[in-house]
Amino acid sequence: EIVMTQSPATLSVSPGERATLSCRASQFVSTNLAWYQQKPGQAPRLLIYGASTRATGIPVRFSGSGSGTEFTLTINSLQSEDFAVYYCQQYNNWPPWTFGQGTKVEIK
Amino acid sequence: EVQLVESGGGLVQPGGSLRLSCAASGFTFSSYWMHWVRQAPGKGLVWVSRINGDGSSISYADSVKGRFTISRDNAKNTLYLQMNSLRAEDTAVYYCGAAAGRNWFDPWGQGTLVTVSS
Repeated sequence: EIVMTQSPATLSVSPGERATLSCRASQFVSTNLAWYQQKPGQAPRLLIYGASTRATGIPVRFSGSGSGTEFTLTINSLQSEDFAVYYCQQYNNWPPWTFGQGTKVEIK
Repeated sequence: EVQLVESGGGLVQPGGSLRLSCAASGFTFSSYWMHWVRQAPGKGLVWVSRINGDGSSISYADSVKGRFTISRDNAKNTLYLQMNSLRAEDTAVYYCGAAAGRNWFDPWGQGTLVTVSS
């Protein structure tokens, strides 16, 4: 089973600043990695797939990078609606499909 | 509009059973792999089960193997999860998610809460 590890667990950022979230896979996953955003009481929403492709309707301030085992989600100029929990997920080796434990982006 | 709507959650005693449903609309249901993912209160996302488009290939997480059964009815555009021998640790919000093949999950349903308690 591929273990996904996200860091940090919590990121405190001021509105308008940049947030950088990391995700590491325990084995090679190529670019078969997705990022999801989840707000309290809501379902996860797809942000990024293929490690760097934004999903339909996702603002350009969200960007993904990386391949192999190291990945990054960058949120430029954080807006109030961006404060949420973010999960990475690998879909290279399955089953199981595995998620990171999440990074909470909170208002500083 | 592409949409997934779960139903069937509720309170059940340990050892009991429950069947969840996920109704799909706005896309060609039979062309998508479908997944169940759960989230215990205050915890992260955990994959539970997956079924391919025609139902011929199924996978389960070790934690539910032998207790849960995933199925689908493409004529009704509906996914199911039959949950038997429920345990307290199965308490979670259960989400269904669609995947174009072996890919990312999009869209997701709004989730249905399953509480296992006496």
